[in-house]
Amino acid sequence: KAGVTQTPRYLIKTRGQQVTLSCSPISGHRSVSWYQQTPGQGLQFLFEYFSETQRNKGNFPGRFSGRQFSNSRSEMNVSTLELGDSALYLCASSLAPATQETQYFGPGTRLLVL
Amino acid sequence: AQSVTQLDSQVPVFEEAPVELRCNYSSSVSVYLFWYVQYPNQGLQLLLKYLSGSTLVKGINGFEAEFNKSQTSFHLRKPSVHISDTAEYFCAVSSTGGFKTIFGAGTRLFVKA
Repeated sequence: KAGVTQTPRYLIKTRGQQVTLSCSPISGHRSVSWYQQTPGQGLQFLFEYFSETQRNKGNFPGRFSGRQFSNSRSEMNVSTLELGDSALYLCASSLAPATQETQYFGPGTRLLVL
Repeated sequence: AQSVTQLDSQVPVFEEAPVELRCNYSSSVSVYLFWYVQYPNQGLQLLLKYLSGSTLVKGINGFEAEFNKSQTSFHLRKPSVHISDTAEYFCAVSSTGGFKTIFGAGTRLFVKA
């Protein structure tokens, strides 16, 4: 079974631009969570989607948004990029809402904002 | 609110020595606890998890962890480490009825020959 895939793997943007990251979960998984990983902050929860509905959102500004499609694929969008948005963005999928489920992580998208 | 504290940011250890990576959590309700490992340039993968039942949980690659409710801890142990165990380890907590998983800041394990 194919694992979680994320595209693109690397991205360079400039301040003020916007970016869209994509995540394809493991087949049959209906929950997708997004995390921001930085050296200073560790993994910070962004949001989780289950069956196309956002279940919860972390403490990030409204510039960060996401959605999930009927095939469970998910996208995350960041508008008006800031230097501090440079990070590794990880997507994780699980069969059901991630509370007690094992999350399967993708390799991440490394975003550099110049 | 929940929180997770990984008490050591870096742990150097010699090959074949035992290791313990410490994790404490804070929660007002019952919890589920996880340890994940991240190898360089990869995503995280599950080592083990505690949902209920036996407080001693065995995971992959010879790792185990013990849930201690009174001390609110979930320390990860391995009796003999290998060079290939060099990675970053994350402790995580979620709660019954909760909506998100909180990760600790991570512990970098360096295994030296």
